[in-house]
Amino acid sequence: KNEVEQSPQNLTAQEGEFITINCSYSVGISALHWLQQHPGGGIVSLFMLSSGKKKHGRLIATINIQEKHSSLHITASHPRDSAVYICAVNDNNTDKLIFGTGTRLQVFP
Amino acid sequence: NAGVMQNPRHLVRRRGQEARLRCSPMKGHSHVYWYRQLPEEGLKFMVYLQKENIIDESGMPKERFSAEFPKEGPSILRIQQVVRGDSAAYFCASSPQGTGTRFFGPGTRLTVL
Repeated sequence: KNEVEQSPQNLTAQEGEFITINCSYSVGISALHWLQQHPGGGIVSLFMLSSGKKKHGRLIATINIQEKHSSLHITASHPRDSAVYICAVNDNNTDKLIFGTGTRLQVFP
Repeated sequence: NAGVMQNPRHLVRRRGQEARLRCSPMKGHSHVYWYRQLPEEGLKFMVYLQKENIIDESGMPKERFSAEFPKEGPSILRIQQVVRGDSAAYFCASSPQGTGTRFFGPGTRLTVL
């Protein structure tokens, strides 16, 4: 079993829909990251959080430390949001980043 | 303030050749991390370096792979005698301290023929 699990693996949506991507982890962490990777492209850090909720534009990230769960929400989705969204955690003991396998999002006009 | 830079962006090598991948961290960042993303797989940690020191290389294959981060110049990930299974995207990230947000580079896509 992976230490970081994401769901769903693939997600398609119509433009304007509200999107939720989930991440569960099994290790103790100091922080959780949400990353975005466009096809053939680099990786952009969207959020780093250790508690509560953060918002940036149409993106919202939440984390529940007790339940070891985080969600990434996209409001009013747009085709340019199409990308792979990756959850990663800083392992408490090693500080290494452990990555989920990503959620591939496609938003159609 | 330029972001993390990696070059080359694409690298093609034949089996048995050497691959050198370079990473210049963001200005003021002295911590560098290398990650590998195999086709259709998630990112995996390879090595963590500070200037002139390898802090953690537990994710590096035991043979053919080495990394350095000299006092001057970029960090180098070196793969000797490449094999087809080395074909992957190699990402570098930097941070100003050992914890916190990693800033990722655009990656180097290595193809071994």
